[in-house]
Amino acid sequence: EDQVTQSPEALRLQEGESSSLNCSYTVSGLRGLFWYRQDPGKGPEFLFTLYSAGEEKEKERLKATLTKKESFLHITAPKPEDSATYLCAVEKGGKLIFGQGTELSVKP
Amino acid sequence: EPEVTQTPSHQVTQMGQEVILRCVPISNHLYFYWYRQILGQKVEFLVSFYNNEISEKSEIFDDQFSVERPDGSNFTLKIRSTKLEDSAMYFCASNGQGYGNTIYFGEGSWLTVV
Repeated sequence: EDQVTQSPEALRLQEGESSSLNCSYTVSGLRGLFWYRQDPGKGPEFLFTLYSAGEEKEKERLKATLTKKESFLHITAPKPEDSATYLCAVEKGGKLIFGQGTELSVKP
Repeated sequence: EPEVTQTPSHQVTQMGQEVILRCVPISNHLYFYWYRQILGQKVEFLVSFYNNEISEKSEIFDDQFSVERPDGSNFTLKIRSTKLEDSAMYFCASNGQGYGNTIYFGEGSWLTVV
């Protein structure tokens, strides 16, 4: 069965405390792995797309990496405004299969 | 920056009533989607739409649901007879180039069935 699992479910960090979020997947025929940010009551906001193992992408304090079975979202020196739920999704057959998300809280 | 817009942002409806959720996808995008998120749960795929027909639909998308692109800009989701379990945030999304390309989401329509 195609599955996307994210860990941890929730993460609390102090401002400046770097960490990583994990997304593991068991999906055959992967066409792309997507990271989104979701603020409460809002729609997913696109961050990154990764297509092949070894690929890395960066945006400000965020860096996404991909292996054959998982992806990591590294957050370097986070700020309170980085607080949100981070969603991982894998595309298969033109549709996205989402994980349950990691709720990140960054305290000043 | 182009964006997907959705209306209404919030709707409360009586069980059994029909609801239409509206979306304006990003212009020149060709692939359209509806997803939903029940409170506290994962975002779930409902349906994809391309070239004026449904490309794929999930088990959730039963005969009570329908989609339409009535003109060149709008994309709608209709729920014919709402149930309590249809209460969720519904997201419209669009994609310019199909498989493997970025899918952009709207801000959502929060549907409450009472």
